[in-house]
Order: sequence, then structure tokens, then C-alpha cells
Amino acid sequence: DAGITQSPRHKVTETGTPVTLRCHQTENHRYMYWYRQDPGHGLRLIHYSYGVKDTDKGEVSDGYSVSRSKTEDFLLTLESATSSQTSVYFCAIREDLNEQFFGPGTRLTVL
Amino acid sequence: QKEVEQNSGPLSVPEGAIASLNCTYSDRVSQSFFWYRQYSGKSPELIMSIYSNGDKEDGRFTAQLNKASQYVSLLIRDSQPSDSATYLCAVNIPNQFYFGTGTSLTVIP
Repeated sequence: DAGITQSPRHKVTETGTPVTLRCHQTENHRYMYWYRQDPGHGLRLIHYSYGVKDTDKGEVSDGYSVSRSKTEDFLLTLESATSSQTSVYFCAIREDLNEQFFGPGTRLTVL
Repeated sequence: QKEVEQNSGPLSVPEGAIASLNCTYSDRVSQSFFWYRQYSGKSPELIMSIYSNGDKEDGRFTAQLNKASQYVSLLIRDSQPSDSATYLCAVNIPNQFYFGTGTSLTVIP
């Protein structure tokens, strides 16, 4: 258990509404990641952070923004949710030797 | 071009047999390689990491890496029904990780 929690665990929202997902870690890891997982695509990196206020884009960053104002929290925001953003979202931390450990996931449905 | 390729399966093996899972990757600067197990509805769980050419064994699991051929494999010996899951291969390029789409494994009692 890498001490990672995600909230909410499930969310149903409507197209056009803003949505924020939270990832919280308790072990002071520098690197944090947001992924989405879809059938046929596997896990794809959305954004990652390498420190407070330090973030960078992944391969599927369009339509998403992130913020990291504290080491322990990494927020993913969908400014205006679309049905194509219906997915399972996983947060991960990176430990020494580049090993990643994942949170429990958030299932997001955009109607 | 996909960074990481895996056969999607499904792969079925009888209980007690060896399951062999394969993965190829495209980027030669890849540094670290990982195998994750994911049960349906759950998050990925790290089972093996490998960083240099050759074999690495951990219990019933053996990871094999061949950087010249750009492939990494996972062998599961004495397969158990509890090994039935999707196995994800992941590759680390500095600061980013790329995952395959996963291979579904079913171990038949």
C-alpha cells in the first residue's frame, strides 16, 4: 500500500460541467501521475508532476488541466466534461527505481 | 506508432502449467521495464521490475529482458487460478511511462 487515495471513487456528471478529481498521497513522493484507462487503449498518461507547481503533459492531455499546490495532493480538472472523457482514472506515484504504484481509481461517467 | 505492444489474448493455460507473456517496445532509450497484474475492476499491481538484460526471478515469476531485440517477457510457473487477470507491460522513458493494452490470462483448474 503506497498510501494513495483518490476521490471521488465514482462520479456521474453531465456534458459541459467542470469536474475535479483528487489524488492524495501520504508518503511525500515527488512524482505523481494521472492516467486514464479505456478498453483497447490501455493506460495512457494525461499529466504528471515532478514537484509542487511543476507539471508536464502526457500523451492525452487535451481537455485536462492539473494542479499541485502541496506535495500530497495532485488534482485533475476537466474544465468542460465531454462524453469522450468517460473513463477510469488512475493516479500513481513513483518511487525509487522508477517503480509506479497506483491508487484505487475513479470511475467517471459523462452523460 | 505504439510504444508498447502486447498480444491481447486471451491466453488460457491449465493449472500448474507455465504461462508465457510477451511484450515488445519501440523506443531504444527505454530504461526500466515493468509487469503489472490487474484484476477486473481493480487498479494495476506491480509484480516485477527489470532494468538490465537477462532474467530476474521472484517466486513463481521470471521477467526476461532483451534490449537488443526490444522485448520483455514474463513467465509464471505453476500457474494458479488466482493468477487469472490481465497483465500489463510498462516501459519507462525519462519521466514518462508507456503501457501495453494488456494480455488477459485465464488459468483453468
